[in-house]
Amino acid sequence: QMQLVESGGGVLQPGGSLRLSCAASGFTFSANGMHWVRQAPGKGLEWVALIRYDGTNKYYADSVQGRFTISRDNSKNTLYLQMNSLRAEDTAVYYCAKDSSGYSPLDYWGQGTLVTVSS
Amino acid sequence: DIVMTQSPDSLAVSLGERATINCKSSQSVLYSSNNKNYLAWYQHKPGQPPKLLIYWASTRESGVPDRFSGSGSATDFTLTISSLQAEDVAVYYCQQYYGTPYTFGQGTKLEIK
Repeated sequence: QMQLVESGGGVLQPGGSLRLSCAASGFTFSANGMHWVRQAPGKGLEWVALIRYDGTNKYYADSVQGRFTISRDNSKNTLYLQMNSLRAEDTAVYYCAKDSSGYSPLDYWGQGTLVTVSS
Repeated sequence: DIVMTQSPDSLAVSLGERATINCKSSQSVLYSSNNKNYLAWYQHKPGQPPKLLIYWASTRESGVPDRFSGSGSATDFTLTISSLQAEDVAVYYCQQYYGTPYTFGQGTKLEIK
């Protein structure tokens, strides 16, 4: 059975750093692009970042470009999001999600992990 | 960036009636080389992760009830629920995956009248 389990969320102050993880199982992790999507309290979904199946290409939303880094370890079936210089507006539930391949929809999502940035 | 705009922002429909949600993209998401629209619809219920309903604008994901259908091309798309059930109460999002950054519409909250 397919599973995506996020971890690493928490409460931290503005300017801080945090690394989220997403452990994958039940599918061939190394064959799929992986994404981070977030939802701020009371707001809609915001796509954050994409990493291609082999980690060679990475893409970011303008709102996180230069502050967040997406990465993956295919030997550990794990996706990461390194978040630096955090701001209050980064407060959100962060979901990891997989696509099927190439430019394709997000066909399976994890349950999400909450990140709260507050002084 | 491609901007996705949904209408309406919220919608109340009686059980058994039709619900229609619209999505407009700021530029075409139709890829001419394969004639595919890079447009998906998701359902998001409180406390759950989003769920893929429709992709390529009109292809239903496996296991999605056939009361859900998608239509449209290029810049204008529609999600239709033919006969609303109580379990369909959720927020619905369109998303383009034609190019990065992938972008979502602002969401449409669907309720029972």
